[in-house]
Amino acid sequence: QKEVEQDPGPLSVPEGAIVSLNCTYSNSAFQYFMWYRQYSRKGPELLMYTYSSGNKEDGRFTAQVDKSSKYISLFIRDSQPSDSATYLCAMSVNYGNKLVFGAGTILRVKS
Amino acid sequence: DVKVTQSSRYLVKRTGEKVFLECVQDMDHENMFWYRQDPGLGLRLIYFSYDVKMKEKGDIPEGYSVSREKKERFSLILESASTNQTSMYLCASSPPPGTQGGTDTQYFGPGTRLTVL
Repeated sequence: QKEVEQDPGPLSVPEGAIVSLNCTYSNSAFQYFMWYRQYSRKGPELLMYTYSSGNKEDGRFTAQVDKSSKYISLFIRDSQPSDSATYLCAMSVNYGNKLVFGAGTILRVKS
Repeated sequence: DVKVTQSSRYLVKRTGEKVFLECVQDMDHENMFWYRQDPGLGLRLIYFSYDVKMKEKGDIPEGYSVSREKKERFSLILESASTNQTSMYLCASSPPPGTQGGTDTQYFGPGTRLTVL
């Protein structure tokens, strides 16, 4: 069993839809949770960062962490074609420790 | 802006060749990482380094070695390339804890797509 599970998709939605991307994990020691966005032929870039449980909002993006269920989510409101990318969840146990990544979900937003 | 550069975007090598992948960061970061990215498997950590001349094995170090002679440069070496090392290789760097406002951010380069024939 992988330490971090993420549905690879592809997930195809119409422009303006609300998108929900999710990851589950098995290691209860994870405390730091991140979402990276990766455009085709580019390296990943950090999108959202949260510590422990709770929600964090940044513009059209909301990250949620439910440590009791070992489940994290990224919501994208009013999705745009420019949001089409691969979204990777990542998490770590200790501050500054190595990251464990999910496989990534391919998102396609159709105009 | 942090910049992480990788020596090549695309590379084609033959089985048995020695391959060098170079990574340079311009933000004076202590930590540097090498990953490979394969479809369905995500990013897997090969090696990382917390300081010059220091290296630690990641999750899949077999068949690879690294070198960090200068703080800004981290090299990945494939001693004898094999076809199962065909992959996208990503380098990343990050500052030490406490210097990023609490964010454990890793900054990635654009990647090197290596094909071993």
